[in-house]
Amino acid sequence: SQKIEQNSEALNIQEGKTATLTCNYTNYSPAYLQWYRQDPGRGPVFLLLIRENEKEKRKERLKVTFDTTLKQSLFHITASQPADSATYLCALSGNTPLVFGKGTRLSVIA
Amino acid sequence: GAGVSQSPRYKVAKRGQDVALRCDPISGHVSLFWYQQALGQGPEFLTYFQNEAQLDKSGLPSDRFFAERPEGSVSTLKIQRTQQEDSAVYLCASSLLLAAKETQYFGPGTRLLVL
Repeated sequence: SQKIEQNSEALNIQEGKTATLTCNYTNYSPAYLQWYRQDPGRGPVFLLLIRENEKEKRKERLKVTFDTTLKQSLFHITASQPADSATYLCALSGNTPLVFGKGTRLSVIA
Repeated sequence: GAGVSQSPRYKVAKRGQDVALRCDPISGHVSLFWYQQALGQGPEFLTYFQNEAQLDKSGLPSDRFFAERPEGSVSTLKIQRTQQEDSAVYLCASSLLLAAKETQYFGPGTRLLVL
């Protein structure tokens, strides 16, 4: 069955550093990979989408890479701020509905 | 315009009680999705609609779960004879079209607690 793993349940980093979150998947060939942010008590909010034929995508301080050979996506937040503290979810999509990972809870410490 | 709204935001039910959860998608969005999110987990797909047609209900955990979208806008997720394992946050999302690349817009969720 399809499996998605996000590298850690929780990640703590200091303000100003780059946060790197990992999403690995097996038994799946997604056409797209999406990253969402979820704050406590709220629904996920879309951040970025990357296609299978794209290596990298950027949006302001966010960068996503997609390696279909390694079956892995990396999500980077540069110059992190306490306001970036949240849970980040990766999700795969293709011919099936979105399949989400468990998420990584990021805490940026001032 | 307004985002996706869900009601109620919180629901406490006694085991065996029936509940109905409502989702108002973004106006004009063709696709509507329901997810179940347990504590510390990512959302898990339950079912989706394209307009009023329910195209996939493979994620519904049992025949106690039923969803409808009779006029292609508002949707209701009904859970009959609730069990404690049904306790979770139920998220609704909508997207403009039905395509793998489409962004999904999520509501705040309904937190269901079954006692």
